[in-house]
Amino acid sequence: DGGITQSPKYLFRKEGQNVTLSCEQNLNHDAMYWYRQDPGQGLRLIYYSQIVNDFQKGDIAEGYSVSREKKESFPLTVTSAQKNPTAFYLCASSTQGYGYTFGSGTRLTVV
Amino acid sequence: GDSVTQMEGPVTLSEEAFLTINCTYTATGYPSLFWYVQYPGEGLQLLLKATKADDKGSNKGFEATYRKETTSFHLEKGSVQVSDSAVYFCALRDPGGFKTIFGAGTRLFVKA
Repeated sequence: DGGITQSPKYLFRKEGQNVTLSCEQNLNHDAMYWYRQDPGQGLRLIYYSQIVNDFQKGDIAEGYSVSREKKESFPLTVTSAQKNPTAFYLCASSTQGYGYTFGSGTRLTVV
Repeated sequence: GDSVTQMEGPVTLSEEAFLTINCTYTATGYPSLFWYVQYPGEGLQLLLKATKADDKGSNKGFEATYRKETTSFHLEKGSVQVSDSAVYFCALRDPGGFKTIFGAGTRLFVKA
């Protein structure tokens, strides 16, 4: 079955570390997105990509980086510059004009 | 810019009660409208959508009608179940656009 796979489900980061969250889709969708969700809050867009080798900053891109080398993959790196990274991270994909398909999320905690 | 406003939660209902979650939007064009649902610890799932005025989206007993004259897309269900307890997000997307704008979400608790 087609879908989006995020890994890992839980991730722990030490102060000053970079960590990478994986997002893979087999839906043949052109666009992919990363959102951050804080407890009791809505979704905030970090980065999005419409095509391979191209991506744009969202509303809260500082301290994050992405790449889109393959259509199926859109990994997110949380860098040490992100001072408050503890959150639930959601990856999504879509075809133009349609609704999003979301992954099951990665919960990142700073220890 | 475009925006989505939905009623604040939490909404607490007894099983078999009628549900309404209000959603209004501001958009310059003719967006597509969506409702997503998020169960605890999971990602969002698309619940229903409508792409033009007067369209009714429906799924799993939930319904919402695209009302252009009132710029609204209220979510309704005639008889809620405990398993409907979740957070519901209203969203809009410009036709031909790649970005979706989400509301803040409304948490629903259904008591047995």
